[in-house]
Amino acid sequence: DAGITQSPRHKVTETGTPVTLRCHQTENHRYMYWYRQDPGHGLRLIHYSYGVKDTDKGEVSDGYSVSRSKTEDFLLTLESATSSQTSVYFCAISLGRAQETQYFGPGTRLLVL
Amino acid sequence: RKEVEQDPGPFNVPEGATVAFNCTYSNSASQSFFWYRQDCRKEPKLLMSVYSSGNEDGRFTAQLNRASQYISLLIRDSKLSDSATYLCVVSLMNRDDKIIFGKGTRLHILP
Repeated sequence: DAGITQSPRHKVTETGTPVTLRCHQTENHRYMYWYRQDPGHGLRLIHYSYGVKDTDKGEVSDGYSVSRSKTEDFLLTLESATSSQTSVYFCAISLGRAQETQYFGPGTRLLVL
Repeated sequence: RKEVEQDPGPFNVPEGATVAFNCTYSNSASQSFFWYRQDCRKEPKLLMSVYSSGNEDGRFTAQLNRASQYISLLIRDSKLSDSATYLCVVSLMNRDDKIIFGKGTRLHILP
C-alpha cells in the first residue's frame, strides 16, 4: 500500500465551474502524476511533479493546471470544466523516476454536465 | 505505428486454461517494461516488471523480445479471479522520462 488517497472520489459539476481534485500521499515520494482514463484512450498523462513547486505538462494538459506546495499534496484544477473533461482521474506516485513502478490512487470519477 | 499496442480483446478463456497476450512497442530506446492489472472500476496495480531474461511469478510469466519489440504475458492455470484488464507499460529513460500505457487487454475467465 503506497498510502495514496484522492478526494473527492466522485463529483458532479456543471460546465464552466472550477473543480479541484486532491491527491495526498503519506510516503514522501518525489514524483507525482495526474492521469485521466477514458474508454478507447487508456491512461493519458495530464501533468506531473518532480518536487515541491516543480511541475511539467503531460500529453493532455490543456484546460488543466496543477500545484504542489507540499511534498504530500498534488492538486489538479480544472479552471472552467467542460463536458469533455468528464473522466476518471487517477493520481500516481513513483518511487523514483518515471521509469520505475508507479502506484495509483483509487481514482476520482468526475461528471461535467 | 502507435507507441504501445495491445489487442483489446476480450479474451474469453475457460478456467484452468493457459492464456497469453502480447504487447508491441515502437521506440527501440524503451528501457523499462511492466504489466499492470486493472479490475473494473479500480485503479491499475503493478502485476510484474519484465526483465530482459524473462521472469516468472507463480502462474505468471513475462518475457521481453527486444529484437521484435514486444513483451508478453502468459497466465497458466487461469482462475476466475484473473478476470481483469491487463495493461502493458513501457518507459523511456531519457530527459523526458516518458512512460506510456497501452490501452489494455480484457480477459474474462469463464467457469
